[in-house]
Amino acid sequence: EAGVAQSPRYKIIEKRQSVAFWCNPISGHATLYWYQQILGQGPKLLIQFQNNGVVDDSQLPKDRFSAERLKGVDSTLKIQPAKLEDSAVYLCASSLPPQETQYFGPGTRLLVL
Amino acid sequence: AQSVTQLGSHVSVSEGALVLLRCNYSSSVPPYLFWYVQYPNQGLQLLLKYTTGATLVKGINGFEAEFKKSETSFHLTKPSAHMSDAAEYFCAVSRSSGYNKLIFGAGTRLAVHP
Repeated sequence: EAGVAQSPRYKIIEKRQSVAFWCNPISGHATLYWYQQILGQGPKLLIQFQNNGVVDDSQLPKDRFSAERLKGVDSTLKIQPAKLEDSAVYLCASSLPPQETQYFGPGTRLLVL
Repeated sequence: AQSVTQLGSHVSVSEGALVLLRCNYSSSVPPYLFWYVQYPNQGLQLLLKYTTGATLVKGINGFEAEFKKSETSFHLTKPSAHMSDAAEYFCAVSRSSGYNKLIFGAGTRLAVHP
């Protein structure tokens, strides 16, 4: 079974630029999550989708971050404009029903200069 | 509200020694508890989880954890450390009903020396 795919793996941008990350969950997983992991900290949930609907985006900085899940499968997370403090690893995860185990992708490491 | 505290950001053990990584949680509802491992430049991999039933949970790579409700703890142990166990370990809690947002601790970096 293929795992959660993410791209790109690494990204370096200047502050105030925009960036987008892509995630392809495990086939058949209805629930998709985006986490932000700042160096030295545990991951923090940014947004959770159930199929293509948002069920929790309480910690998403909506003035600069946006996310969508196309047709309930792939998802894109965008930052516009980026700030220095957005430097982090962005992890995508997916699960079957929400109560099941979350499977994580390898992450996208973002550095904002 | 839920939270997780991992005691000790860095733990160092000798190869063959006992590994003990501490995790305490706070939850107003019955929790689900998880341990994940993260190797450098990789995503998180589930080691084990507690949902209901037996409080001693066995996971992959010889790890196990015990859910102690009275102590609000879920410590991770392994009888004999191997060099390949060197990684970062995260304890997490979620609700046992509804949408299961994972709340992670800050992590413990485990070093194993010869």
